Amino acid sequence: EPEVTQTPSHQVTQMGQEVILRCVPISNHLYFYWYRQILGQKVEFLVSFYNNEISEKSEIFDDQFSVERPDGSNFTLKIRSTKLEDSAMYFCASSEGRAAGYTFGSGTRLTVV
Amino acid sequence: KNEVEQSPQNLTAQEGEFITINCSYSVGISALHWLQQHPGGGIVSLFMLSSGKKKHGRLIATINIQEKHSSLHITASHPRDSAVYICAVRSGGSRLTFGEGTQLTVNP
Repeated sequence: EPEVTQTPSHQVTQMGQEVILRCVPISNHLYFYWYRQILGQKVEFLVSFYNNEISEKSEIFDDQFSVERPDGSNFTLKIRSTKLEDSAMYFCASSEGRAAGYTFGSGTRLTVV
Repeated sequence: KNEVEQSPQNLTAQEGEFITINCSYSVGISALHWLQQHPGGGIVSLFMLSSGKKKHGRLIATINIQEKHSSLHITASHPRDSAVYICAVRSGGSRLTFGEGTQLTVNP
């Protein structure tokens, strides 16, 4: 069964550093998403991406965050100047269409120290 | 008030029991998703519903659009069903709004 692949599975970074979280969505999927889950809290939407541009973003997704699809297979989330409160599990997901079901990746656990 | 409310927050059952997890939402939706999150954190999609009922193995999901309510049922529960079950709704655009989740523990 096709999978969404995320790397790395764990990342520890110093406060103020930049991190890039990587995702390989399912190849025939057209919509890509990033969600995050702070420990003990519910999953929150960050951003959706379609046709090489952001289609929707949440209030959380401020200038500190950016997304890119650099090469037609990878989908990345960059966090500039990380803060302690960015520590969370970050999930990538993809779907065939706007109204289609999601496939989630296994997540990247980001710890900012 | 949360847009998506789940009950119960925690549920402990004995193996073989019939389990029901409830989800209520306050907005108009285009679809409702039931998801499973394992202790390692990974999320698996179980169902996507916009009306009626769906069944997959021992899992059944129902939705009542008029009452803004959905249920997830597990028949003949097993310890491997232990996980967090999450309800999420799509109300506009493509984003999902998640509930807090229900922690299910099934004891042998």
